[in-house]
Amino acid sequence: SQQGEEDPQALSIQEGENATMNCSYKTSINNLQWYRQNSGRGLVHLILIRSNEREKHSGRLRVTLDTSKKSSSLLITASRAADTASYFCATDPIQGAQKLVFGQGTRLTINP
Amino acid sequence: EAGVAQSPRYKIIEKRQSVAFWCNPISGHATLYWYQQILGQGPKLLIQFQNNGVVDDSQLPKDRFSAERLKGVDSTLKIQPAKLEDSAVYLCASSSPGGTEKLFFGSGTQLSVL
Repeated sequence: SQQGEEDPQALSIQEGENATMNCSYKTSINNLQWYRQNSGRGLVHLILIRSNEREKHSGRLRVTLDTSKKSSSLLITASRAADTASYFCATDPIQGAQKLVFGQGTRLTINP
Repeated sequence: EAGVAQSPRYKIIEKRQSVAFWCNPISGHATLYWYQQILGQGPKLLIQFQNNGVVDDSQLPKDRFSAERLKGVDSTLKIQPAKLEDSAVYLCASSSPGGTEKLFFGSGTQLSVL
């Protein structure tokens, strides 16, 4: 079963604008991760935020986590054409076997 | 550092035929995963190995899917017989000891069942 739900399902913006994607999940987690997938390729790990963290930065990426609302957001600043990809959140649930559960993803298109 | 290797890259078969996928994880990575990704969806875990033991195969359709990881390195995933709904990308991933903190994915095998 898929725990994470990304919103929106698709997002199209102009190059240079900021892109924000949201993820909601259902059960308590150890950590939440964001991955990028270019068309026809495997997933690439972007950033991990632990359940006791509220915000994390990596280059042009900013991730927030609100465990009370069971939600996370990924912000990509100053977007580039190369950021065009699908973005997935993945949660590591506290209960059950140790495994990552992926959401449905957000398809991001950056228009030049 | 070499990444996760998968082959073949593409496979087209007819329903009821069998097919096998191969994965070579990053050297030293004890944990290996097989995910199924249907078009437009997120990856779904099929099976997780820790060395050569199975950690989780709760979502593996065991009547037709099988997987093994002999000697705790390479792994193969087999489907026999294939159904139309098995059309998907099969992704292999690995992680270093410590589990699910960061997964490294291969490029996947795109399977089309006609």
